Amino acid sequence: GNSVTQMEGPVTLSEEAFLTINCTYTATGYPSLFWYVQYPGEGLQLLLKATKADDKGSNKGFEATYRKETTSFHLEKGSVQVSDSAVYFCALIPTGNTPLVFGKGTRLSVIA
Amino acid sequence: GAGVSQSPSNKVTEKGKDVELRCDPISGHTALYWYRQSLGQGLEFLIYFQGNSAPDKSGLPSDRFSAERTGGSVSTLTIQRTQQEDSAVYLCASSPRDKYGYTFGSGTRLTVV
Repeated sequence: GNSVTQMEGPVTLSEEAFLTINCTYTATGYPSLFWYVQYPGEGLQLLLKATKADDKGSNKGFEATYRKETTSFHLEKGSVQVSDSAVYFCALIPTGNTPLVFGKGTRLSVIA
Repeated sequence: GAGVSQSPSNKVTEKGKDVELRCDPISGHTALYWYRQSLGQGLEFLIYFQGNSAPDKSGLPSDRFSAERTGGSVSTLTIQRTQQEDSAVYLCASSPRDKYGYTFGSGTRLTVV
């Protein structure tokens, strides 16, 4: 079946540190890949996406590259800020008209 | 409206009671989704409506759960005879035809006591 596995948190970093949150997937065909973010007390927001192999999604300083050979979509940011503290979800849409499949989420805390 | 609206934002109910959760999607969005977010379990797909097609109910955990979407717009998720394990945040999302633009509501936090 289709599934997403992401590193368990919580992840605690100091401001300006480098961030990597690992995400790997299992899917048939050629899925589209997403990162969503949930800030405290708010709803889920789309952070970035990539729809085909080798695509790089980017937004707000975050990047992720669709790696088909390793079935991965790791999230990175060069210098995190306190305001990046949130829960990050990796997700995929399998080929065909089916709903998003989410990972379990990774909580990030950035301290000043 | 400008976003997906869910009500109530919080609901506390006694075990065995029925509850109804409401979702108002973005106007013009043809697809509507319900997810459940439990602590430590991530987001679990429940049900999906697309236009006038029959809904995809494959994620509903038991026959106590049902949902409808009236007039292709507002949706109601009903949980009958609530159990403590139903306690979670229930999220609704809508998207336009291209299915890549999911917009989520802020959710309904359900607590069964």
